[in-house]
Amino acid sequence: AQSVTQPDIHITVSEGASLELRCNYSYGATPYLFWYVQSPGQGLQLLLKYFSGDTLVQGIKGFEAEFKRSQSSFNLRKPSVHWSDAAEYFCAVGAPGGSYIPTFGRGTSLIVHP
Amino acid sequence: DVKVTQSSRYLVKRTGEKVFLECVQDMDHENMFWYRQDPGLGLRLIYFSYDVKMKEKGDIPEGYSVSREKKERFSLILESASTNQTSMYLCASSRLGYGNEQFFGPGTRLTVL
Repeated sequence: AQSVTQPDIHITVSEGASLELRCNYSYGATPYLFWYVQSPGQGLQLLLKYFSGDTLVQGIKGFEAEFKRSQSSFNLRKPSVHWSDAAEYFCAVGAPGGSYIPTFGRGTSLIVHP
Repeated sequence: DVKVTQSSRYLVKRTGEKVFLECVQDMDHENMFWYRQDPGLGLRLIYFSYDVKMKEKGDIPEGYSVSREKKERFSLILESASTNQTSMYLCASSRLGYGNEQFFGPGTRLTVL
């Protein structure tokens, strides 16, 4: 079965600074990988996803993520954070050929200081 | 604009009450899911359904049941609410198959007194 770890419970950055949120997965082959964002009082929204091909994936709101097979990682990045990016971020992994129900990480809460 | 709607944003119930949480999607999705979200625990799957009248248990089904009589509607039922079921409940839907994006509703914050 697949699993996913988000090692950081909280991340604090200043507005305008760069951001990297970490995600590590456990799966025997190349999984499907997702990043979702949950703004306060909202449901989750897909930021980006990776299935195959180019390991650098572009998403909405200026986010990108890089799949690194050797490190079993799929870290989310943004070059310049805006105050509106303050939210909860979830990494999720799905297993091709197995259950199509994705497994979610515990989430990372992003705090943005002015 | 595609949508997943949940019947209530906030709900307060008493211990022992039967509670119904409703979810409706307008995207003709085959899959529907109920998650529970608690601080520090992320999203935990309660039940999911891949077709009308079909359901499968998730990671934490105890104390819950579900109903899917129509493709667009998926209901979560707490047969006898308990205080440890106080939580945020999220409904989601997706197309059948691997790797498809899930669309989430805004959530229902349930408090059981």
